[in-house]
Amino acid sequence: TQLLEQSPQFLSIQEGENLTVYCNSSSVFSSLQWYRQEPGEGPVLLVTVVTGGEVKKLKRLTFQFGDARKDSSLHITAAQPGDTGLYLCARGATNKLIFGTGTLLAVQP
Amino acid sequence: GAVVSQHPSRVICKSGTSVKIECRSLDFQATTMFWYRQFPKQSLMLMATSNEGSKATYEQGVEKDKFLINHASLTLSTLTVTSAHPEDSSFYICSARPRQSSYNSPLHFGNGTRLTVT
Repeated sequence: TQLLEQSPQFLSIQEGENLTVYCNSSSVFSSLQWYRQEPGEGPVLLVTVVTGGEVKKLKRLTFQFGDARKDSSLHITAAQPGDTGLYLCARGATNKLIFGTGTLLAVQP
Repeated sequence: GAVVSQHPSRVICKSGTSVKIECRSLDFQATTMFWYRQFPKQSLMLMATSNEGSKATYEQGVEKDKFLINHASLTLSTLTVTSAHPEDSSFYICSARPRQSSYNSPLHFGNGTRLTVT
């Protein structure tokens, strides 16, 4: 069961544009991870956020954890073709990791 | 960094045959490994949790007799798709959690296995 809803599901933009991906849940979670996956490969961890309201930056990527720890966002500034991929949020649940529904991003040169 | 090796990367098999996929943690021990399934342009769906030395825990709707999981050592888990059918064609990804890490700790993923059943 997917407990994390991501939006948008698909996004195609031009190089240089900004974008935001959202990850929402009705449940509170203690931490949340963001991954990026390229075709034919496994997901690669980008960041883990643990504190409500936390903001983390990774070059042109900015991650925010909602104050209530029910949602998170990923903002990409000046997107580049290399940012193309499937972006996944994920939360720990008991002994396992549950992924969000995913956002497929395509950045056109 | 921690490396998870998954083999084979691609496999094509005929309907009715069985296929085994291996997942190895190369430089760490993993008491828990996870198997995910992914359809094109979709997210990863957890199939089962593999615990070393005990039976796997399957997610709701996943047939345990069809997807056999064995976790015989701290560095190896296998997924066998038995009597495969075309609808089993998918991308299967394993991941591993190092010993002594919490459930909130990041997982280390293999590069997946593309299974095509003809």
